[in-house]
Order: sequence, then structure tokens, then C-alpha cells
Amino acid sequence: DVKVTQSSRYLVKRTGEKVFLECVQDMDHENMFWYRQDPGLGLRLIYFSYDVKMKEKGDIPEGYSVSREKKERFSLILESASTNQTSMYLCASRAQSSYNEQFFGPGTRLTVL
Amino acid sequence: AQSVTQPDIHITVSEGASLELRCNYSYGATPYLFWYVQSPGQGLQLLLKYFSGDTLVQGIKGFEAEFKRSQSSFNLRKPSVHWSDAAEYFCAVGAFGGSTLGRLYFGRGTQLTVWP
Repeated sequence: DVKVTQSSRYLVKRTGEKVFLECVQDMDHENMFWYRQDPGLGLRLIYFSYDVKMKEKGDIPEGYSVSREKKERFSLILESASTNQTSMYLCASRAQSSYNEQFFGPGTRLTVL
Repeated sequence: AQSVTQPDIHITVSEGASLELRCNYSYGATPYLFWYVQSPGQGLQLLLKYFSGDTLVQGIKGFEAEFKRSQSSFNLRKPSVHWSDAAEYFCAVGAFGGSTLGRLYFGRGTQLTVWP
């Protein structure tokens, strides 16, 4: 089975801190994605990556950056956390061949105080 | 532009009753459609997917969905709901061309409550 893991289930940070959210997948997937999920808004795509060292902006990239130095790892970075970034963050991965679905991690619930 | 609409924010059904969750999509090409389920505090799990062929698709946990191109719909159904089906359900359409390779567009979700 595909396994996507996220470094923390719950995280509490202070305004202005630099925050790293880590995601690791074990199936050699080329594509990886970061979403944020807020009540009533569904999942919104922040960034995605086709392959190592490649990245594309999603629908809400402002205030975020990403890093993909290794194929299995995709990091989301909040350069200076703000209270409006309090949310659930979900990572997903996908094999690029054909029309494969995305596989999701358990999520990180981030609270910024 | 691609988009997905789930008209029902919250649905409540009794255990054993039938269920239908609605999904309408907007997509310029052949759609690739997915239903995911999210239990409380968990990530998303794939229930089923449609790429081509038979328009009635079977999934896990006894769910099925029917693709209707004329109505731009992909509704999820289950004949008899169990209490463990209480969760949030997301419909998504896949974009598989050019720079959008592999991304999904999600609806806002439908929260399902099951009464005993």
C-alpha cells in the first residue's frame, strides 16, 4: 500500500515563526501536492511538484513556499506564520503515469497563535 | 475553468436508509472523476474513480457512482447506510493536460450524519 506520512499531526506555533511541514511518500511517486483544508471551503491547492526540484503554484500560494530536494520528500514552508494560516494541511502524492488518483497523508493541524 | 459543485453541505440519514450525494462538474474535456471520504481527523481515502467505459462505477465500502455526461453529474450512492459511513465526502475532477498534469479540483464537501 502507498503510504504518505506527515511529520506532525498537531502543531502550535507563534505569529512570525518560520514553520516547516514535512511530507514523505514511499512509493516513488513523481507528483506531490500540498493542500489546506478549511471548513466550508474544501481543499485548496497551495503548491505542487511534478518531480524533484520542480514546483508549480496552486490556487493559494501566497505566504507559502515549498522544497523538493528528494523525490520522496516535499516540504511546505511558512516563512512568517500568521494567524490566518491556522488550518489543516494535507499532503498527497501520485504516480505520473496514466490517470492515477492522489494518495493522502493524515494531515497536520496547525494552530498559529 | 474546471470546477466541482456539491450542492448539499450537510445530509442526515437514518442507519439502513439509502443515500445519494450529488456532484456536478464543469470541465472542458473528458472528465476524470473521483469520490473521496474523510473520517474525522483523518486524511482522504479514495472511494471510487471514473475514467472511461461503463458509466456506473463500483467502489469500496459498498458505494457506487454514476457518470451522466448530459447532466455533468457524478452522484455517489449507497443502498443502505451504516453508522460508520458518517464522514465528509469530497467529489473531485482531474485535470490531466499540460501544466495542470495530475492536479485535482475538489468540491467543498458534504458532511454526512447517520442517525442510529
